[in-house]
Amino acid sequence: AQKITQTQPGMFVQEKEAVTLDCTYDTSDPSYGLFWYKQPSSGEMIFLIYQGSYDQQNATEGRYSLNFQKARKSANLVISASQLGDSAMYFCAMREVNTGGFKTIFGAGTRLFVKA
Amino acid sequence: NAGVTQTPKFQVLKTGQSMTLQCAQDMNHNSMYWYRQDPGMGLRLIYYSASEGTTDKGEVPNGYNVSRLNKREFSLRLESAAPSQTSVYFCASSQGAGDYGYTFGSGTRLTVV
Repeated sequence: AQKITQTQPGMFVQEKEAVTLDCTYDTSDPSYGLFWYKQPSSGEMIFLIYQGSYDQQNATEGRYSLNFQKARKSANLVISASQLGDSAMYFCAMREVNTGGFKTIFGAGTRLFVKA
Repeated sequence: NAGVTQTPKFQVLKTGQSMTLQCAQDMNHNSMYWYRQDPGMGLRLIYYSASEGTTDKGEVPNGYNVSRLNKREFSLRLESAAPSQTSVYFCASSQGAGDYGYTFGSGTRLTVV
């Protein structure tokens, strides 16, 4: 069963607007971590943000925030004030602490296009 | 300021040939990983090494072997390359299990013809 689902293959956003990239996950492990990574056209993978399953507050890193809704098993990435440099592929990922150990699994990704 | 260094960046192999992808990190991380990226499938874990001296299978280990040569280096070997192994390969490292994020190398684009 697919454990990380990103249903938006591609998204468009106007520069300076906010955008939400969707991610749902499936796990029975009560302890897990959720991640977002960015892959620009140059190909490197860049870590953006992390949310632990027991964290009470949503994680934020600069213009990135993770909208964590535990009951719905969703971990959406919100990018505020989009910039042209935000155009990239974005991957949601999860690590199951008890059942997955050191394995982090990735979703298929969402390609974001920022329009000037 | 190298981070994670992968070599080579590009490689073309003929079916049945063997090769080793090299990965080295200079961040004193304990854990290292090999992923492959195929279009529409995200990244899939091939093998990982939680610490020096240990290696474990990931989601797609068939056709690959790994060696954790020391704390810095983690190599991936294809013994008999197949067209299905055409992919972009990423090495990554982390302190612990990666809850502070992975640091990735720049990738190796491998084509098997």
